[in-house]
Amino acid sequence: DVKVTQSSRYLVKRTGEKVFLECVQDMDHENMFWYRQDPGLGLRLIYFSYDVKMKEKGDIPEGYSVSREKKERFSLILESASTNQTSMYLCASSLNQGLAGGPQYFGPGTRLLVL
Amino acid sequence: SQQGEEDPQALSIQEGENATMNCSYKTSINNLQWYRQNSGRGLVHLILIRSNEREKHSGRLRVTLDTSKKSSSLLITASRAADTASYFCATATSYNTDKLIFGTGTRLQVFP
Repeated sequence: DVKVTQSSRYLVKRTGEKVFLECVQDMDHENMFWYRQDPGLGLRLIYFSYDVKMKEKGDIPEGYSVSREKKERFSLILESASTNQTSMYLCASSLNQGLAGGPQYFGPGTRLLVL
Repeated sequence: SQQGEEDPQALSIQEGENATMNCSYKTSINNLQWYRQNSGRGLVHLILIRSNEREKHSGRLRVTLDTSKKSSSLLITASRAADTASYFCATATSYNTDKLIFGTGTRLQVFP
């Protein structure tokens, strides 16, 4: 079974702090994704990566950056946390199946509260 | 950008009843997927249906796809209390099959 793990389930940070959210997958997937989930807005894509050291902006990249130095690890960075970044953050991975497409496998989520 | 919209937003039924959720989307798709999310947890993939398929089954789940109407439905038969969760549809477009666009979800409550 695919396993996607996230470094924290719950996190409380103060405004202006730098925040690192880590995600690790153990199935050698090429693709990795970061989403945020807010009530009434569903899942919104922040950044994704198709390969090591590659990254692409999603729908809401402002205020975030990412790092993918190793294939299994994809980090989301909040350079200076703000209260409007309080949210549930979900990491996912998937196999690159070209034109076929395929499912994404999600981690358990990190609930971040910025005070 | 939201591609899928689920209907209804919330659904309450008794154990043993069937639950039907609908999803509408806007652009051409390569495939459509359904996910379940238990409260406060990550999403779990349930089923994937490709644009050239009309119906697919997996256990108590039945998914239909109507590309002419740009809509899909998820039917859960003989619901159980353990089916209580939020259900999301997600679409992959033909030009980017790796990136999914999620709807806002249907919250299903199954009462014992």
